[in-house]
Amino acid sequence: KQEVTQIPAALSVPEGENLVLNCSFTDSAIYNLQWFRQDPGKGLTSLLLIQSSQREQTSGRLNASLDKSSGRSTLYIAASQPGDSATYLCAVRRNYGQNFVFGPGTRLSVLP
Amino acid sequence: EAGVAQSPRYKIIEKRQSVAFWCNPISGHATLYWYQQILGQGPKLLIQFQNNGVVDDSQLPKDRFSAERLKGVDSTLKIQPAKLEDSAVYLCASSLVMGVKNTEAFFGQGTRLTVV
Repeated sequence: KQEVTQIPAALSVPEGENLVLNCSFTDSAIYNLQWFRQDPGKGLTSLLLIQSSQREQTSGRLNASLDKSSGRSTLYIAASQPGDSATYLCAVRRNYGQNFVFGPGTRLSVLP
Repeated sequence: EAGVAQSPRYKIIEKRQSVAFWCNPISGHATLYWYQQILGQGPKLLIQFQNNGVVDDSQLPKDRFSAERLKGVDSTLKIQPAKLEDSAVYLCASSLVMGVKNTEAFFGQGTRLTVV
């Protein structure tokens, strides 16, 4: 059974800092991994999708890496801003038809 | 491109009452998911549809939860009777599947259910 964990559970940083969020999964046989952002009381917004054959994906100030063999993914946020404050969730999918298994999320606060 | 639509946004009911949630996925998306997200936790799958067929409902509490996806488009999720522990956000998501490489999932805003 796939289990996904995220460290740290919460993180508070001053504006402008670069930061790394971690995601670990127990079964390396994944199809893809997706990072989401969730604002309080809102749904999930997709940030980056990494296929199992890829090592990283970039979008603006965000960079996600994937190391399937070690069961890890990291989300790097450069030059953090208060608007980045949210909960960040990672989710893995085993096969293209299967559902996502989510981690518990990392709650990020970027202080002005 | 319109996103995943869900209604209502909020619902408060008493325990033992029934409630229904509605989801309209992105046009052309064959796969539809219902997730339950309890406060402070990641979403947990309740049921997955491929068109109008059920792919995975192994974590759906079938004694009280039911879901359908008529005509392979809109879907409804029902709880009857509700319990206090059903208080959560119910998220609907959709994705392309079957032969499409970039199978990104898109989520709706969710329905926040409070059972009192």
